[in-house]
Amino acid sequence: DAGVTQSPTHLIKTRGQHVTLRCSPISGHKSVSWYQQVLGQGPQFIFQYYEKEERGRGNFPDRFSARQFPNYSSELNVNALLLGDSALYLCASSLGQGPSSGNTIYFGEGSWLTVV
Amino acid sequence: QKEVEQDPGPLSVPEGAIVSLNCTYSNSAFQYFMWYRQYSRKGPELLMYTYSSGNKEDGRFTAQVDKSSKYISLFIRDSQPSDSATYLCAAVSGGYNKLIFGAGTRLAVHP
Repeated sequence: DAGVTQSPTHLIKTRGQHVTLRCSPISGHKSVSWYQQVLGQGPQFIFQYYEKEERGRGNFPDRFSARQFPNYSSELNVNALLLGDSALYLCASSLGQGPSSGNTIYFGEGSWLTVV
Repeated sequence: QKEVEQDPGPLSVPEGAIVSLNCTYSNSAFQYFMWYRQYSRKGPELLMYTYSSGNKEDGRFTAQVDKSSKYISLFIRDSQPSDSATYLCAAVSGGYNKLIFGAGTRLAVHP
């Protein structure tokens, strides 16, 4: 079975532009979360979607938005890009909404965003 | 104060050594704890997933959680050069999957 797949793997954008990152969860998983990982730091939670509804939001500005589609894939959108948005954007997939013994969380390989 | 604290290292050990990686946390509501391994420029790979206090073993890896002292550990036995990576501890609480990560510890195992 395929794991969590993300696209694109690398991209370069100019300040002020907009970016869309895409994620396909593991087959059968209904929850998708997004994280931002700046070099040298641990991932920071941005959003969680479960059954196409937003279930959690981290401390990120309104320039960040996301949505989940009927097939449970997801998009992360970032508007008005800043230099500080340069990071690895990670998508995480899990079966259910919340933590439980059977609800492990798996990450994709990420999308590397460079803002120049 | 960060909710999950982790010494960034780097930690350098010889092949075959026992490695101890540690994190502390401040939020008593955390119930689930994970360890992820992240190779350079790759996504995090789940190593261990534990609930509440106690030990969990999987091959060369042992995870320990001590909720009384808010301390979580990962032990790697017979370390190999292929274990060289950044190790991230994470905790989660509440009704949704918001993982709180430590900064990660860089480990280098030299032959």
